[in-house]
Amino acid sequence: DGGITQSPKYLFRKEGQNVTLSCEQNLNHDAMYWYRQDPGQGLRLIYYSQIVNDFQKGDIAEGYSVSREKKESFPLTVTSAQKNPTAFYLCASSFTHRGTDTQYFGPGTRLTVL
Amino acid sequence: GENVEQHPSTLSVQEGDSAVIKCTYSDSASNYFPWYKQELGKRPQLIIDIRSNVGEKKDQRIAVTLNKTAKHFSLHITETQPEDSAVYFCGTSGYSTLTFGKGTMLLVSP
Repeated sequence: DGGITQSPKYLFRKEGQNVTLSCEQNLNHDAMYWYRQDPGQGLRLIYYSQIVNDFQKGDIAEGYSVSREKKESFPLTVTSAQKNPTAFYLCASSFTHRGTDTQYFGPGTRLTVL
Repeated sequence: GENVEQHPSTLSVQEGDSAVIKCTYSDSASNYFPWYKQELGKRPQLIIDIRSNVGEKKDQRIAVTLNKTAKHFSLHITETQPEDSAVYFCGTSGYSTLTFGKGTMLLVSP
């Protein structure tokens, strides 16, 4: 389970506020991912990064932004433009972005908008 | 893009019974098929995976079978135990990102 950490575990936000979720890995993985999990919806890809200083939109990128300035870090900002941000957010990483590389998940951050 | 259908959405079994979860996919280029287990409030963890050059893979009580012609793959759990209770997700990928099914909640009753 070690190697990928996310903080905080729980996060509360008022409507209209931006909030940044942290994801760090020490596995020397090139690729990192952000997923959103809602009940009955499975895991949906928000953004992914194949390498430092590069990232691409996933299936549900609207209202989110990311950066990848360091190999170890891939923070996700949930902006006020995200209409329904309450969800469980999971970060993952893999050795490369090849589709056959195993993805390892962090423990998740549960975001609640009040 | 890829479309993955996972069935059933919930599955209740008695301890000791077998459980089978099936996923179908649409992209013929898919060649990697992992299964993840997620306990309540925890992270998903890989339990088994299979690549397209293999038709079946087994690890103790868990097995995965793949039918590339029919574009479906299944997770088989034998001799289920209460600690197998969790949500199970299938995934598929070809050259790019993973697409996940919506999950199956498995409940194993003692």
